[in-house]
Amino acid sequence: KQEVTQIPAALSVPEGENLVLNCSFTDSAIYNLQWFRQDPGKGLTSLLLIQSSQREQTSGRLNASLDKSSGRSTLYIAASQPGDSATYLCAVSQNYGQNFVFGPGTRLSVLP
Amino acid sequence: EAGVAQSPRYKIIEKRQSVAFWCNPISGHATLYWYQQILGQGPKLLIQFQNNGVVDDSQLPKDRFSAERLKGVDSTLKIQPAKLEDSAVYLCASSSYYRGTGELFFGEGSRLTVL
Repeated sequence: KQEVTQIPAALSVPEGENLVLNCSFTDSAIYNLQWFRQDPGKGLTSLLLIQSSQREQTSGRLNASLDKSSGRSTLYIAASQPGDSATYLCAVSQNYGQNFVFGPGTRLSVLP
Repeated sequence: EAGVAQSPRYKIIEKRQSVAFWCNPISGHATLYWYQQILGQGPKLLIQFQNNGVVDDSQLPKDRFSAERLKGVDSTLKIQPAKLEDSAVYLCASSSYYRGTGELFFGEGSRLTVL
């Protein structure tokens, strides 16, 4: 049974810092890994999707990497801003079209 | 392109009452998911539909929860009777099965409070 963990559970940084969020999964036979952002009281917004054949994806100040063999993904946020404050969740699917299993999220606070 | 639509956004009921949530996925998305998210946790799958057929409902408490997706488009999730522990956000998501990458898109969620 796939399990996803995220470390740290919470993180507080000053504005302008570069930061890394971690995601680990127990079964390396994944098809997709997706990073989401969730603002308080809102749904999940997709940030980046990495397919199993890819090693990284980039969107603006965000870069996500995937190391299937070690069961890890990292989300790198460059030059953090207060508007980046949110909970970041990662999720993995075992096969195309299958359910995504979610981690508990990392709550990020970027202080002005 | 319109996103995933959900209603109502908020619902407060007393235990043992019933409630229903509605979801309209992104146009053309064959796969629809209902997730339950308890405060401070990641979403947990309740049920997955492929068109109007059930793919996975192994974690759906079938004694009180039911869901349907008539005509392979809209879906309704019902809870009857509700328990205190059902207080959570119910998230609907969809993805395109026949083309694309399998990326998941979520609605805003329906927040349920059971008193």
